[in-house]
Amino acid sequence: RKEVEQDPGPFNVPEGATVAFNCTYSNSASQSFFWYRQDCRKEPKLLMSVYSSGNEDGRFTAQLNRASQYISLLIRDSKLSDSATYLCVVKGEVTGGGNKLTFGTGTQLKVEL
Amino acid sequence: NAGVTQTPKFQVLKTGQSMTLQCAQDMNHEYMSWYRQDPGMGLRLIHYSVGAGITDQGEVPNGYNVSRSTTEDFPLRLLSAAPSQTSVYFCASSYSRLAGASVTDTQYFGPGTRLTVL
Repeated sequence: RKEVEQDPGPFNVPEGATVAFNCTYSNSASQSFFWYRQDCRKEPKLLMSVYSSGNEDGRFTAQLNRASQYISLLIRDSKLSDSATYLCVVKGEVTGGGNKLTFGTGTQLKVEL
Repeated sequence: NAGVTQTPKFQVLKTGQSMTLQCAQDMNHEYMSWYRQDPGMGLRLIHYSVGAGITDQGEVPNGYNVSRSTTEDFPLRLLSAAPSQTSVYFCASSYSRLAGASVTDTQYFGPGTRLTVL
């Protein structure tokens, strides 16, 4: 089983739609969780961190379910500019310092007119 | 601030050649790392460093060497290039280096180097 699993998509949605992505992780000792966004042929950039209580940033809502070991990202009122690949990222248990992250393979979103 | 810079942007090598991918950051970050990204595989950690003079192996270190003589620079060396090393390479840096650090330990990525080994 992969450490971090995501549905690769693509998710093709019309502009204005609400879309949700899920991500599951295998290491129950994982400490921190993130969603990164990667545009085509560009570097990943942090979209938002995921807190235990859930958090919202404008049209984006992230939630964490530790018991079921999954993370979700909800995008409301999709814009054309939201088209990208969304990477689920998990920070595992670290020994000796460091900041080791495990990346999912990403879910591709295409927002269409 | 330039953030994280990488050179070259593109490179074509022949099997057996060696080369160094450059990475530099001007944010005084202690933690730096190298990833490779392949289709269907996600980003995989090659090597990382928690500070000048300290490096360690990641998930896929074979065929690569690193050094960290300064806080700013973290070059990745391919010793004898192989077609299996054809990939996109990203360098990243962040403040955080401690276990249990806050969730605000954002990784900043460079623009990537697209490497083809023939």
